[in-house]
Amino acid sequence: GAGVSQSPSNKVTEKGKDVELRCDPISGHTALYWYRQSLGQGLEFLIYFQGNSAPDKSGLPSDRFSAERTGGSVSTLTIQRTQQEDSAVYLCASLLRTSNTGELFFGEGSRLTVL
Amino acid sequence: KQEVTQIPAALSVPEGENLVLNCSFTDSAIYNLQWFRQDPGKGLTSLLLIQSSQREQTSGRLNASLDKSSGRSTLYIAASQPGDSATYLCAVRPDQGGSEKLVFGKGTKLTVNP
Repeated sequence: GAGVSQSPSNKVTEKGKDVELRCDPISGHTALYWYRQSLGQGLEFLIYFQGNSAPDKSGLPSDRFSAERTGGSVSTLTIQRTQQEDSAVYLCASLLRTSNTGELFFGEGSRLTVL
Repeated sequence: KQEVTQIPAALSVPEGENLVLNCSFTDSAIYNLQWFRQDPGKGLTSLLLIQSSQREQTSGRLNASLDKSSGRSTLYIAASQPGDSATYLCAVRPDQGGSEKLVFGKGTKLTVNP
């Protein structure tokens, strides 16, 4: 696609429910990142996928968080048993790892509210 | 551990003023530095990207400089307009072979008053 697409744009859920957030990166981009942005905070790294390499999961805050990337394209971030502190904007970004610039492109984000 | 700091956290200026936003980072081993703009409720839009070998990049009224050895970058906005009001973030990407995690500053919230 022309840009990074994320869905849903907004999600309101009840505490304890599971949620799935989807990211469709720019076609051909080999690297994909998930970041979290909480109110008034900076961007917090969650996970990084690069091609067929093992993902860098070092930023996932707990074992309730997981992510996968199928076929080297679409990625899904899953949060199990959501807590109120999970409320944030979840941003996905992709880049063409082999490009000379390494420019990162972001989606519009998925705003998660846990009641 | 790489840390990125942006000063000031917020800035309010009258329309037409030239301004400078600052970004500093603690580890000079970077691959590139990227400046982004974020409007309220939106994602990040890339403004300028400077490779570690470059000193500056320009796009329209924006000019970003990089002094890698001192761990600093500035974003210069000329003749500011109300439409420039947004939060500006800088991010550094570590050298290849190291961590691929981009490290972001917390941003500078700019308000340009008409």
